[in-house]
Amino acid sequence: GQQLNQSPQSMFIQEGEDVSMNCTSSSIFNTWLWYKQDPGEGPVLLIALYKAGELTSNGRLTAQFGITRKDSFLNISASIPSDVGIYFCAGPPSGAGGTSYGKLTFGQGTILTVHP
Amino acid sequence: GAGVSQSPRYKVAKRGQDVALRCDPISGHVSLFWYQQALGQGPEFLTYFQNEAQLDKSGLPSDRFFAERPEGSVSTLKIQRTQQEDSAVYLCASSYSRLSGGWEKLFFGSGTQLSVL
Repeated sequence: GQQLNQSPQSMFIQEGEDVSMNCTSSSIFNTWLWYKQDPGEGPVLLIALYKAGELTSNGRLTAQFGITRKDSFLNISASIPSDVGIYFCAGPPSGAGGTSYGKLTFGQGTILTVHP
Repeated sequence: GAGVSQSPRYKVAKRGQDVALRCDPISGHVSLFWYQQALGQGPEFLTYFQNEAQLDKSGLPSDRFFAERPEGSVSTLKIQRTQQEDSAVYLCASSYSRLSGGWEKLFFGSGTQLSVL
């Protein structure tokens, strides 16, 4: 099946620094999603990308849908302590229709720690 | 309630015991999903319901796992004869869309953390 590889696995940064993380796949995705998961909670959607080359922002977060459709990037500017958590990329199977649209494949996550 | 509610939050089971995990989706949401999240990993799809119909159960790891949603609202994930490898967080998610194809925003619950001793 499709697999998503995230890097780095973890990051330790100082408050105020910018953060970059990425997600790659061996197969094409038609939608890229970025989620954040806080400890003891479920994932929460941050940004959704639908077209190759698309660049979308949500506050201090910016994500890009790679041209090859096999990768995506998430940047966080001017990090703050509440950015701490696990960031996941995810996507529905390409060519999925019918019953499969909510059947997401997730990466293994990037753990972000922000030091005040 | 305003969000997806799961109970219990924590469950400790002895190996071989049966467990039942409950999910209350957002009111009016047609679609319901169960995911399993092992420690240090991303969530993995288990099964999907549209109303009361279980349309995809391809992710259920064995026949010890069973899910139901008899009235198209609350869902229960049952695990029979639990094994240590079943220890994980079980996440439920719901979405509104009735449409097939395309993508729709999923709302996740906080999960049930299952520990099998």
